[in-house]
Amino acid sequence: EAGVVQSPRYKIIEKKQPVAFWCNPISGHNTLYWYRQNLGQGPELLIRYENEEAVDDSQLPKDRFSAERLKGVDSTLKIQPAELGDSAVYLCASRGGGEKLFFGSGTQLSVL
Amino acid sequence: AQSVSQHNHHVILSEAASLELGCNYSYGGTVNLFWYVQYPGQHLQLLLKYFSGDPLVKGIKGFEAEFIKSKFSFNLRKPSVQWSDTAEYFCAVRSSGGSQGNLIFGKGTKLSVKP
Repeated sequence: EAGVVQSPRYKIIEKKQPVAFWCNPISGHNTLYWYRQNLGQGPELLIRYENEEAVDDSQLPKDRFSAERLKGVDSTLKIQPAELGDSAVYLCASRGGGEKLFFGSGTQLSVL
Repeated sequence: AQSVSQHNHHVILSEAASLELGCNYSYGGTVNLFWYVQYPGQHLQLLLKYFSGDPLVKGIKGFEAEFIKSKFSFNLRKPSVQWSDTAEYFCAVRSSGGSQGNLIFGKGTKLSVKP
C-alpha cells in the first residue's frame, strides 16, 4: 500500500515569493491534515479536511496561506508571499476510518 | 484549548537503560492519547494509542504507556532501550468531542541511545 506522498521534498525560495506544496493521501482516506513543524517543535495543525470540505482552518494564517482539496483527494497548500518565519517542515497526513494518522515525509521549506 | 506538555527536550541513555518520557495534557473531557515516533530521516509513525479500557497500553517494539486520568498524564516507558530507539518521540491528544479529529502534539522529546 502506498503511503502519503508529498512533493517537493525540499524547497528553497526567497522571501516574498510564492510556494506550493502537494499531497496525495492514502487511497480511500477521507480525512486530510496539513501540519507545520518548526525546528525543535511538534507538528501544529494548519487545516483539516473531511473529503473536500475544510472543517477546521482556524489555525491557518489566511492572509498568506491557502489550501484546497479538489475532488476530496489530492491537496495543495500555498503560501503567497512567503516570509522568513515560514521556514519549517510542512507535513501532510491522512486518516481513514480508524484513529491512526498516516504521515508523509514532509516538505522542508527554507525561506531566504 | 487543549495543550500537551512533554517534560524533557532531550534524553540521553545508554543501551539497556530504562526509559520513561513524560507527557501531560490539559483537557477536561474525554481524550484519545497517542505516542508517535520519528526515526532519523523517516516520517512520523504511530507507536501506541489509548482510547479506553486498560490504562496500560502496549505498542510496537516493546514500548508501553500508562494513562493516569487523575494526573492527566500518559507517560511512555520501555524497560530496556536499544540503539535503534534513537528517535524523536511525540505525545499527542485528540478530544473525543468539540474539535473532534484534531490531533494536538507536544513539542517532542529527542532520545539518543549510546551503544
